[in-house]
Amino acid sequence: GENVEQHPSTLSVQEGDSAVIKCTYSDSASNYFPWYKQELGKRPQLIIDIRSNVGEKKDQRIAVTLNKTAKHFSLHITETQPEDSAVYFCAAFSGAGSYQLTFGKGTKLSVIP
Amino acid sequence: GAVVSQHPSRVICKSGTSVKIECRSLDFQATTMFWYRQFPKQSLMLMATSNEGSKATYEQGVEKDKFLINHASLTLSTLTVTSAHPEDSSFYICSARKGGGGQETQYFGPGTRLLVL
Repeated sequence: GENVEQHPSTLSVQEGDSAVIKCTYSDSASNYFPWYKQELGKRPQLIIDIRSNVGEKKDQRIAVTLNKTAKHFSLHITETQPEDSAVYFCAAFSGAGSYQLTFGKGTKLSVIP
Repeated sequence: GAVVSQHPSRVICKSGTSVKIECRSLDFQATTMFWYRQFPKQSLMLMATSNEGSKATYEQGVEKDKFLINHASLTLSTLTVTSAHPEDSSFYICSARKGGGGQETQYFGPGTRLLVL
């Protein structure tokens, strides 16, 4: 099955700086990679996603890059703000037809004012 | 986006009782829903995949007789925790799959916090 590794587990940045979270996956058949933001006690919210036919996608301060050859993808947040503080999860679809998401272990991002 | 609701949001029950959690897709039809469990400071762990009109598919290590799943319609899946014990206390989150043709996305419900005394 799919295995998703996520790093770092915790990340502290100063307000205004950039934050980068990296994930690797094992199943070369995976073709969809969403990123979720989860605030304490709340549901994961989809913030951006990328499919395997695209190398990069950007939405305002958030961008995601995908390297299919190396099987890794990254989340980039620029001009971080305190409200960006949360736990971020990367995920990958674990196989054709199953549409199961395999999640990374999460990154706790703290943006220091 | 899409809206997925979950009920109840919080439940406290005595050990040995059963608890039913509902997951609804409010503005789209979901042939597939997923049930996750999340312990404090940990990632989401898939418990089972719920398919409308057929039996759920359980992940390894998840007892199907303890966690009963029923996906009776295209907008409703239920998870029943039978004979709950304190170790079943957790945050249970459902998600619903929306879309097709390779453009599927999953949207999460708000979660149900279960505390078994």
